[in-house]
Amino acid sequence: NAGVTQTPKFRILKIGQSMTLQCTQDMNHNYMYWYRQDPGMGLKLIYYSVGAGITDKGEVPNGYNVSRSTTEDFPLRLELAAPSQTSVYFCASSLGEGGTEAFFGQGTRLTVV
Amino acid sequence: AQSVAQPEDQVNVAEGNPLTVKCTYSVSGNPYLFWYVQYPNRGLQFLLKYITGDNLVKGSYGFEAEFNKSQTSFHLKKPSALVSDSALYFCAVRGDTGGFKTIFGAGTRLFVKA
Repeated sequence: NAGVTQTPKFRILKIGQSMTLQCTQDMNHNYMYWYRQDPGMGLKLIYYSVGAGITDKGEVPNGYNVSRSTTEDFPLRLELAAPSQTSVYFCASSLGEGGTEAFFGQGTRLTVV
Repeated sequence: AQSVAQPEDQVNVAEGNPLTVKCTYSVSGNPYLFWYVQYPNRGLQFLLKYITGDNLVKGSYGFEAEFNKSQTSFHLKKPSALVSDSALYFCAVRGDTGGFKTIFGAGTRLFVKA
């Protein structure tokens, strides 16, 4: 099992450019999440999905969009990149809610210049 | 509102000594509590969780955590620290009402000196 796979690992964007961060999981998990990690701030939830075709906003959704066409894939789209979006992005999945733990990808380090 | 506090940015401990990383929380309903560890340039890895039952939870790599409902705390402990335990540790909480949303603390960096 590969678990949760994110691509790319690193990316530099210019202000105003757009890009898609890819995330795929092979554990047949219904729940998937996108977080951003900023130094000293922990993880903030951007968007989440409870199943194919269902997505919803988290704590910091502005400037991002997601889609969930399959159980396996949960891409995160950045439109009109801004320096404030410089961060490390993590995709995660879990079997359900309640007491189930999350499995994380290795992260994408994004710099917007 | 849900929240998690990790009051220490960094914890320093000598190898072989016991370690404690502190976590307090606020949540609606009963809590589900988690500890994750992050090594450099890696994603978070699950260490242990509390759902219900015994207040002392044992997890991976010799770590354990104690749930204290009256103090709303879930401190991470290990009897004897290893240099390889040096990493960033996150506490997380999810309430049993309001669905899936998990709140993470800001993280505590553990430094174990040989």
